[in-house]
Amino acid sequence: SQQGEEDPQALSIQEGENATMNCSYKTSINNLQWYRQNSGRGLVHLILIRSNEREKHSGRLRVTLDTSKKSSSLLITASRAADTASYFCATAPSGTYKYIFGTGTRLKVLA
Amino acid sequence: DAGITQSPRYKITETGRQVTLMCHQTWSHSYMFWYRQDLGHGLRLIYYSAAADITDKGEVPDGYVVSRSKTENFPLTLESATRSQTSVYFCASSSFGGGASRNEQFFGPGTRLTVL
Repeated sequence: SQQGEEDPQALSIQEGENATMNCSYKTSINNLQWYRQNSGRGLVHLILIRSNEREKHSGRLRVTLDTSKKSSSLLITASRAADTASYFCATAPSGTYKYIFGTGTRLKVLA
Repeated sequence: DAGITQSPRYKITETGRQVTLMCHQTWSHSYMFWYRQDLGHGLRLIYYSAAADITDKGEVPDGYVVSRSKTENFPLTLESATRSQTSVYFCASSSFGGGASRNEQFFGPGTRLTVL
C-alpha cells in the first residue's frame, strides 16, 4: 500500500452522525495533515498534527496520531450535508518536502 | 487577485505537443508544488520548489519540466504530451517546508488537461 492510504475509501452516513476515517503511512514524519476536497475543487487544509502530539481538536474535527502504528484518524462529529467531500491525509518523510497524499475517503452525508 | 491561481483551467491538446501550465501566487510563499490527481491514485507530487531557482523531483517527474525564475510563478511544462498525462493538475504553495510545524499548503483551483 502507498504511504498515506485512507480507509475506508467511501463512507455514507446520516446527518448528525459521526464520521471516522483512517490513514496509514510508512515512514517517520514530522507532522500529518488532513485536507478536504469538494468535487472539482482544490484541496483545503483542515488540521495539522505534529509527530509529538497524540490528539488535536478543531471545531467538530478531532485528529489522533499513533506514531508507533504509523496511523492517524479523523473524526468529524455531528456531520452536516455540507461535510460531503473527499478527505485526504498528507505526510512527508522526515527531512523532506516530498508530500504524499493518500487516495482519499469519499464522505457522503445524507440530509 | 490575492491567492493562488492556475491557468488555463481547461486544456485539450494532442499527443506530442508541448503544453505549459501556469501557477501564480501572491503570498510570496517560498515553497511551491505541482501535483497530478488521477482516479485511484489520489494526488501525486510531480515537482516542488523551495525557492526561486531551486527545484526538485517528486514521485512522478518523468515527462515534466519546471522552472522558477520568480518566487510567485511556478510553470509546469509537458515537453511532449502523452495520453497518460491526461489528468487534473494542482499547484500549491506553502510558507514553510515539510519539516516546520506550520506548513499547510494552499491549493489552486486546478487545470484539467486532456491529451488526445
